[in-house]
Amino acid sequence: SQKIEQNSEALNIQEGKTATLTCNYTNYSPAYLQWYRQDPGRGPVFLLLIRENEKEKRKERLKVTFDTTLKQSLFHITASQPADSATYLCALEGSSNTGKLIFGQGTTLQVKP
Amino acid sequence: AAGVIQSPRHLIKEKRETATLKCYPIPRHDTVYWYQQGPGQDPQFLISFYEKMQSDKGSIPDRFSAQQFSDYHSELNMSSLELGDSALYFCASSPGRDRLPIMYFGPGTRLTVT
Repeated sequence: SQKIEQNSEALNIQEGKTATLTCNYTNYSPAYLQWYRQDPGRGPVFLLLIRENEKEKRKERLKVTFDTTLKQSLFHITASQPADSATYLCALEGSSNTGKLIFGQGTTLQVKP
Repeated sequence: AAGVIQSPRHLIKEKRETATLKCYPIPRHDTVYWYQQGPGQDPQFLISFYEKMQSDKGSIPDRFSAQQFSDYHSELNMSSLELGDSALYFCASSPGRDRLPIMYFGPGTRLTVT
């Protein structure tokens, strides 16, 4: 069955450093991979989408890579700030082709000042 | 810009009661999704509607039902509530199948079953 794995352990880094989060998937051949941010008690917020034929995507301090051979995506936040502290979810479209997303369990990032 | 609206934001029910959650998608978005998120869990897909027709079904209990109305708002009906139904329920909308499959989530309804 389709499976998405993210590092369930919280990531603690110092302000100004680069945070790198990992998303691995199995039994998928996704056309897109997405990253969402979720703050406690709030709905996920879309950050970036990367297509299968794109190696890298950038948006301000965010960078996403997508390796379809390794079946892995890396999500980077450069010059991290305490306001970046949140849970980051990796998501792939389900196999039913109805647009629904399957989410990973998320990685919680804590940026310390 | 308009966002997805959910109501109520908080709901407390007792076991075996019924609950109705409402969702108002972003205007001109033709697809609505419902997700359930337990504490410390990832959002789990329940059900979706495309142009007012059910388009996909996930791990939704038979006690739950949902529909999308002519004005595109959707309701999730939950009966015979159990303690395990306590969770955050999110509605999300998407702009359409000819656009990128990005989901816009509402603020969620926190359901507590006692």
